[in-house]
Amino acid sequence: GENVGLHLPTLSVQEGDNSIINCAYSNSASDYFIWYKQESGKGPQFIIDIRSNMDKRQGQRVTVLLNKTVKHLSLQIAATQPGDSAVYFCAERETQGGSEKLVFGKGTKLTVNP
Amino acid sequence: DVKVTQSSRYLVKRTGEKVFLECVQDMDHENMFWYRQDPGLGLRLIYFSYDVKMKEKGDIPEGYSVSREKKERFSLILESASTNQTSMYLCAITQRGLAKNIQYFGAGTRLSVL
Repeated sequence: GENVGLHLPTLSVQEGDNSIINCAYSNSASDYFIWYKQESGKGPQFIIDIRSNMDKRQGQRVTVLLNKTVKHLSLQIAATQPGDSAVYFCAERETQGGSEKLVFGKGTKLTVNP
Repeated sequence: DVKVTQSSRYLVKRTGEKVFLECVQDMDHENMFWYRQDPGLGLRLIYFSYDVKMKEKGDIPEGYSVSREKKERFSLILESASTNQTSMYLCAITQRGLAKNIQYFGAGTRLSVL
């Protein structure tokens, strides 16, 4: 079946470095994607989104890249800080029977070393 | 700011008990969702609701029911709790307008069924 997944379950970086978190999706009809951050003991928080008619979108210290040719999504975090340590999920929007839902990847755990 | 409140952070229940998990939002949003989150499985959709008294099954509705008597409150019910329902439960809502597909989450309820 179609699913949203991640290349790596864990990522460890040094403080100040840039981080890249990857996500592969298999539903070519997906037209909207979201990245979430989940800190320990908390619910997921929205970070940034992108529609399929875009290749790149930037936020504050974060950039999302979308490559529809290979169905790949990435989240780049510039100058990673200890507060960025969390699990990061991608999600894609699916439409079924007229209703929409989000399908989530399983997450990548980012650890920032001081 | 969008506020999604889950009534309990931690719950411990016994097998066979009836369990109510409550979710309240303060922004008059129509769409509300219940997920469970388990290690290695990510977020899985249990039920969702598009309006008062309306409900739709998600991917794993078995063993659960829901209630939406008022727009601001969406309850998840475990009629007879079982140990395999030990999990983190997350409630989410979506806003109207351009951001309508971004789901905003509560802090989660960690349920242990003994």
